[in-house]
Amino acid sequence: EDQVTQSPEALRLQEGESSSLNCSYTVSGLRGLFWYRQDPGKGPEFLFTLYSAGEEKEKERLKATLTKKESFLHITAPKPEDSATYLCAARPGSSASKIIFGSGTRLSIRP
Amino acid sequence: EAGVAQSPRYKIIEKRQSVAFWCNPISGHATLYWYQQILGQGPKLLIQFQNNGVVDDSQLPKDRFSAERLKGVDSTLKIQPAKLEDSAVYLCASSKTGTDVDNEQFFGPGTRLTVL
Repeated sequence: EDQVTQSPEALRLQEGESSSLNCSYTVSGLRGLFWYRQDPGKGPEFLFTLYSAGEEKEKERLKATLTKKESFLHITAPKPEDSATYLCAARPGSSASKIIFGSGTRLSIRP
Repeated sequence: EAGVAQSPRYKIIEKRQSVAFWCNPISGHATLYWYQQILGQGPKLLIQFQNNGVVDDSQLPKDRFSAERLKGVDSTLKIQPAKLEDSAVYLCASSKTGTDVDNEQFFGPGTRLTVL
């Protein structure tokens, strides 16, 4: 069964304290790994798509990386405005467009 | 460019009542998705439309949920009758295509449903 698991469930950091969020996936024939940001009361906002192991993408303080079994979202010197839930999703090879979401990591950055 | 619009934003109903949600996708987006997001979980796909045809409704509880996308533009999702476990946020998303290219999904703000 295709599955996406994120860890930790919640993470509290001090402003400027760098860390990484983990996304483990078991899908057959990955056709895309996605990261979204979700603020309270809002829909998910697209961040990155990764397609193959070794690929990396960056946006401001965020960098996403992909291996054959995991993806990491690295956050460097975070600010309070980076506080949000970060969702990972994977598209199985059997699907033209359906994606499977993990449960997310709630990130809180203290000033 | 206007984003995905959803209404209402909030809805409170009694169990066994009916409810309907509306979604207007980004102009020109062929693919429309309805997701259910229970508190503390990631979104779960309920149904996917490509233009006005259903691509995937394998996780839609068809005994109580229905959805349509007439004319391939806006869409409605209905629950009849509602159960307590239907309390969740219902998210609508759209993408340019349903293929590997240009398939970034844009989400609306969601409708928070509470069933009492």
